[in-house]
Amino acid sequence: RKEVEQDPGPFNVPEGATVAFNCTYSNSASQSFFWYRQDCRKEPKLLMSVYSSGNEDGRFTAQLNRASQYISLLIRDSKLSDSATYLCVVTSGTSYNTDKLIFGTGTRLQVFP
Amino acid sequence: DTGVSQDPRHKITKRGQNVTFRCDPISEHNRLYWYRQTLGQGPEFLTYFQNEAQLEKSRLLSDRFSAERPKGSFSTLEIQRTEQGDSAMYLCASSLGTSGRQAEQYFGPGTRLTVT
Repeated sequence: RKEVEQDPGPFNVPEGATVAFNCTYSNSASQSFFWYRQDCRKEPKLLMSVYSSGNEDGRFTAQLNRASQYISLLIRDSKLSDSATYLCVVTSGTSYNTDKLIFGTGTRLQVFP
Repeated sequence: DTGVSQDPRHKITKRGQNVTFRCDPISEHNRLYWYRQTLGQGPEFLTYFQNEAQLEKSRLLSDRFSAERPKGSFSTLEIQRTEQGDSAMYLCASSLGTSGRQAEQYFGPGTRLTVT
């Protein structure tokens, strides 16, 4: 079983639509959670950190459920520029306090006109 | 530009040659990470430094790989006797700390390695 699991998609949605991505993680010791965005052949860029209370940044809302080990990302009013791969990321929670990142394989979003 | 920088951006080499990549982290970040990404996969952790100390290495990092961060600033990743399976994007990231906002890692543009 992968440590971070995501639906690879692709999700094809029209402009203006609302789209939700989910992911699950296996390590209950993970302490920090993130969504990264990656454009084709580019580096991952931090989209937002995810907190237990949930957090919102403009059109983006992230939720964390520690009991279910589940993370979500909601994008409202999708724009063409939102087309990218969205990576669900958790920290390793090892005793080394490394906080290395464990990535899902990503969910591909394509927004069409 | 005060972000993470990497050099070179692209490297094509023949099997068996040695290659070295460089990463310059965000200046106040004392933690530096190397990851590798292949097509269709998320990045995978390779190794990590806190200041000049290398504190963890992944099992992915065979004996042909070595990383250094001699003065706690920039880091180098060397691959000896490259193999075709080493072809990937090598990503460097840095962070301030390990909790809350300080755990946020920022990535450089990566070095794309092609071994022919």
